[in-house]
Amino acid sequence: GNSVTQMEGPVTLSEEAFLTINCTYTATGYPSLFWYVQYPGEGLQLLLKATKADDKGSNKGFEATYRKETTSFHLEKGSVQVSDSAVYFCALSGGSNYKLTFGKGTLLTVNP
Amino acid sequence: GAVVSQHPSWVICKSGTSVKIECRSLDFQATTMFWYRQFPKQSLMLMATSNEGSKATYEQGVEKDKFLINHASLTLSTLTVTSAHPEDSSFYICSAAIGTTYEQYFGPGTRLTVT
Repeated sequence: GNSVTQMEGPVTLSEEAFLTINCTYTATGYPSLFWYVQYPGEGLQLLLKATKADDKGSNKGFEATYRKETTSFHLEKGSVQVSDSAVYFCALSGGSNYKLTFGKGTLLTVNP
Repeated sequence: GAVVSQHPSWVICKSGTSVKIECRSLDFQATTMFWYRQFPKQSLMLMATSNEGSKATYEQGVEKDKFLINHASLTLSTLTVTSAHPEDSSFYICSAAIGTTYEQYFGPGTRLTVT
């Protein structure tokens, strides 16, 4: 079955530091890949997505590239801000049923 | 746009009682709604998928008689935890999808505590 493995947190960075959160997946066929963000007290929000190999999703300074050869979708941001503090979930959707399979989530804390 | 609400945001109930959680799509019609359960420091686990006007499809290992899902309209789905026990205490999250799209819009979640 489908599975998503993402690096365990928590991750603590200083403002303006570089961020990488690793995500690898196992799936049959050609899944779509997502990063969701959950700010404190709020629901999950779609941060970015990629639907085919070599696609790069980007939003709010975050980027992730769909790497089929390494089955990875690592999240990066060049300069994090305090407001980026949240839990980040990597997820995939495979097949026609649109079900999402999530990683365990990575808590990011950015200190001023 | 694409806002999903849940009510209540938190609830405490006694063991053996039932509790209903509502999920509403506020500004769109949701063809499909999903219910997830999230344990502390764990991922979201899909419990069931529901389509308006039809029976929900439950994931393996989820007791359909315990977790009753009703999707009565294109903007409302409900999850009823029947005869709740302390092990049912968890964070329950719903999401809604529009038409034939893979993008899901998530509610803020409901914290259930069973005493």
